[in-house]
Amino acid sequence: QKEVEQDPGPLSVPEGAIVSLNCTYSNSAFQYFMWYRQYSRKGPELLMYTYSSGNKEDGRFTAQVDKSSKYISLFIRDSQPSDSATYLCAMSAQETSGSRLTFGEGTQLTVNP
Amino acid sequence: DVKVTQSSRYLVKRTGEKVFLECVQDMDHENMFWYRQDPGLGLRLIYFSYDVKMKEKGDIPEGYSVSREKKERFSLILESASTNQTSMYLCASSFWGEGEQYFGPGTRLTVT
Repeated sequence: QKEVEQDPGPLSVPEGAIVSLNCTYSNSAFQYFMWYRQYSRKGPELLMYTYSSGNKEDGRFTAQVDKSSKYISLFIRDSQPSDSATYLCAMSAQETSGSRLTFGEGTQLTVNP
Repeated sequence: DVKVTQSSRYLVKRTGEKVFLECVQDMDHENMFWYRQDPGLGLRLIYFSYDVKMKEKGDIPEGYSVSREKKERFSLILESASTNQTSMYLCASSFWGEGEQYFGPGTRLTVT
């Protein structure tokens, strides 16, 4: 069983829709949670970074962490065609040497004009 | 802005060749990482380094080696390339103790 599970999609939505992307994990030691966005033929770029449980908002993006359920989400409001990309969740444990991350498989999102 | 650069965007090599992939970062990060990314498998860690001349194996180190002679530079070496090493290779860096990793643009390697 993978440590981090993420629905690979693909997910296709109309412009303006609310998008929900999700990951579940099994390692209760994970404390730091991230979302990366990866455009086609590019490297991933950090989108959101949260520590422990709770919500974090940045513009149209909200990251949510529920440690009791071992579940994290990324919500995109008023989605735009420029949001079309692959979204990867990533997480790490506090004690991990070198800040090693464990990634989900990535969800491919297309926002249609 | 953090800049992580990789020596090539696209590379085609023959089976059995020795392949060098180089990564350079300009933010004085202690940690550097090499991943490969494959459809259906996501990002998998090959090797990482938290200091000059230090290295640790990741999840899939077989068939690879690394070198870190300078803090800003981390090289991935395929001693004898095989077709199953055809993949996208991504380099990343971060400060010690911080989870945020900054990625390079990737090298798409094809081994024929």
